[in-house]
Amino acid sequence: DAGVTQSPTHLIKTRGQQVTLRCSPKSGHDTVSWYQQALGQGPQFIFQYYEEEERQRGNFPDRFSGHQFPNYSSELNVNALLLGDSALYLCASSLQRGKNTGELFFGEGSRLTVL
Amino acid sequence: AQKITQTQPGMFVQEKEAVTLDCTYDTSDQSYGLFWYKQPSSGEMIFLIYQGSYDEQNATEGRYSLNFQKARKSANLVISASQLGDSAMYFCAMREVVSYNTDKLIFGTGTRLQVFP
Repeated sequence: DAGVTQSPTHLIKTRGQQVTLRCSPKSGHDTVSWYQQALGQGPQFIFQYYEEEERQRGNFPDRFSGHQFPNYSSELNVNALLLGDSALYLCASSLQRGKNTGELFFGEGSRLTVL
Repeated sequence: AQKITQTQPGMFVQEKEAVTLDCTYDTSDQSYGLFWYKQPSSGEMIFLIYQGSYDEQNATEGRYSLNFQKARKSANLVISASQLGDSAMYFCAMREVVSYNTDKLIFGTGTRLQVFP
């Protein structure tokens, strides 16, 4: 049973560029959440997708956008990259709340470095 | 607003000993859930244990137990019989319900645990 898979694992970009990160949820999961983890900090919620719609958004600018596909996989896009966007981006999948305790399964993350 | 506080940036424990990692939380909700995750250097957040606010018994999962003190708003993680492989970052988190079918986790800043022989 494959867990949550993310790609790429590492990438380096320069300021002003755009990046796309990808996530495949755990088999059977229908909800994908994205978190940003800056160095030395806990993860912070970016947004959540369910039924191909953004259900909730954290305190992140519009430069951060996402998408969920019919197969439940998801993409995170960040435009006009800033140095402060350097972080580990974690994808987490779950079943729609109400079906279980809402336990999240995380991927290993995509580590983005902006120069 | 909900908040998780982990006051121990780092902890050391000898192999085979028990260790307690502290977590306090702040919420005005009556129903909430508390989680502990382990994050090794690979980056993946590994779910360890869950405690619901209405659970009367403290949660246990193998060597992990959660010391839940609702009146004090604390949810400390106890790891018994520490192993070298337990060395990692540990995060306490609370589920914040945004709407009926939408929620998110609020994380603390983590505690780095180092187990020595």
